[in-house]
Amino acid sequence: GAVVSQHPSRVICKSGTSVKIECRSLDFQATTMFWYRQFPKQSLMLMATSNEGSKATYEQGVEKDKFLINHASLTLSTLTVTSAHPEDSSFYICSARDFASTDTQYFGPGTRLTVL
Amino acid sequence: QKEVEQNSGPLSVPEGAIASLNCTYSDRGSQSFFWYRQYSGKSPELIMSIYSNGDKEDGRFTAQLNKASQYVSLLIRDSQPSDSATYLCAVTPNTNAGKSTFGDGTTLTVKP
Repeated sequence: GAVVSQHPSRVICKSGTSVKIECRSLDFQATTMFWYRQFPKQSLMLMATSNEGSKATYEQGVEKDKFLINHASLTLSTLTVTSAHPEDSSFYICSARDFASTDTQYFGPGTRLTVL
Repeated sequence: QKEVEQNSGPLSVPEGAIASLNCTYSDRGSQSFFWYRQYSGKSPELIMSIYSNGDKEDGRFTAQLNKASQYVSLLIRDSQPSDSATYLCAVTPNTNAGKSTFGDGTTLTVKP
């Protein structure tokens, strides 16, 4: 199957700093990527849909100025958590849709963010 | 009513048994259906995709789709303790368009 990578896998930062997470589709072109957040023992929560070359579409309740998404190429999307606070600590997961074959979403391994 | 509904479980089966996971969806226009497995602390991984009514088999896994009744199921034969995980059902409204809607997942425990 298609491979999606995420970097970093784990990050610990101080409150008030910004953190950038990268999501890459390694062997396919992804015109659409998705960003999810998941708190312990809870469901996946879609944060935003990222389309290459255009502005991301944010889900209701997700602050676009806090969670900056850039999808500059067909294989890379980034999520920047600005001015992170302890309540932003969570498991952030990206997925990429293989548009060429089907609408299957392939998930990256996730980034565990801890804000102190 | 949620767009995609799954029993949260936990579902517990003995090793070697058949585990049956069910999912119902509300959008009749849905075209694509997926099952993902998520181990604790890990991201989801794709197990099966199904697009047409009927059964689709892949090893010990069988996905079943009934669009008229708006349900999709996953059967796991000869369940193993390593199958213990949360299983997510995902439904996409149109092929090559739209985002998938995920159920909350069913937690499966396979007891040795």
